[in-house]
Amino acid sequence: DIQMTQSPSTLSASVGDRVTITCRASQSISSWLAWYQLKPGKAPKLLIYKASSLRSGVPSRFSGSGSGTEFTLSISSLQPDDFAIYYCQQYNTYPVQFGQGTRVQIK
Amino acid sequence: QVQLQESGPGLVKPSETLSLTCTVSGYSITNEYFWGWIRQPPGNGLEWIGSTHQSGNTFHNPSLKSRVTMSVDTSRNQVTLKVTSVTAADTAVYYCVRVPITPSASHFDNWGQGTLVTVSS
Repeated sequence: DIQMTQSPSTLSASVGDRVTITCRASQSISSWLAWYQLKPGKAPKLLIYKASSLRSGVPSRFSGSGSGTEFTLSISSLQPDDFAIYYCQQYNTYPVQFGQGTRVQIK
Repeated sequence: QVQLQESGPGLVKPSETLSLTCTVSGYSITNEYFWGWIRQPPGNGLEWIGSTHQSGNTFHNPSLKSRVTMSVDTSRNQVTLKVTSVTAADTAVYYCVRVPITPSASHFDNWGQGTLVTVSS
């Protein structure tokens, strides 16, 4: 199975900060990577698919990059609604695997 | 706008079968998507359970495959999940998801809010 490693596990930031989350795959997954946002009691949201494609309706402050084994999710200017847990997911092969998550919390 | 809503018992006894239903609104499940399930044990990360299509084509996580059955009920626009012989390790929030068809495996473009299932006597 392909293992996904996210860093950091927790990130403390302020409104307006630029934040970056990294996701590494244990082997090449081409660009078959997605990013999700999870908040308690709410339906999780797909943010990015195919490494850098922004899902329709997602604010443009979110962006994704990378290919092969190293990927990043960036938020250009953190907003109050962005404090959440973010997960990457590889879908190059089954079984699909998620990273362990990155909690973005208020500094 | 597609909406997914999970429903089912919140408490299941060890060794029994966990059964959940996902009701899809705003979209016909006879259209070209797979439908699947993901779970999240308390304090842990996300685990893909499996994905299924109305044609019967199904992908399972090998870690659960022998205990999992998924099906699509087109007449009710529902997706069902059954997990047999449950233990405390199956305690989790269970999410229903819509699964786009891609050349590889897939991501998940719509999620339900999730339902907590606790396995306890």
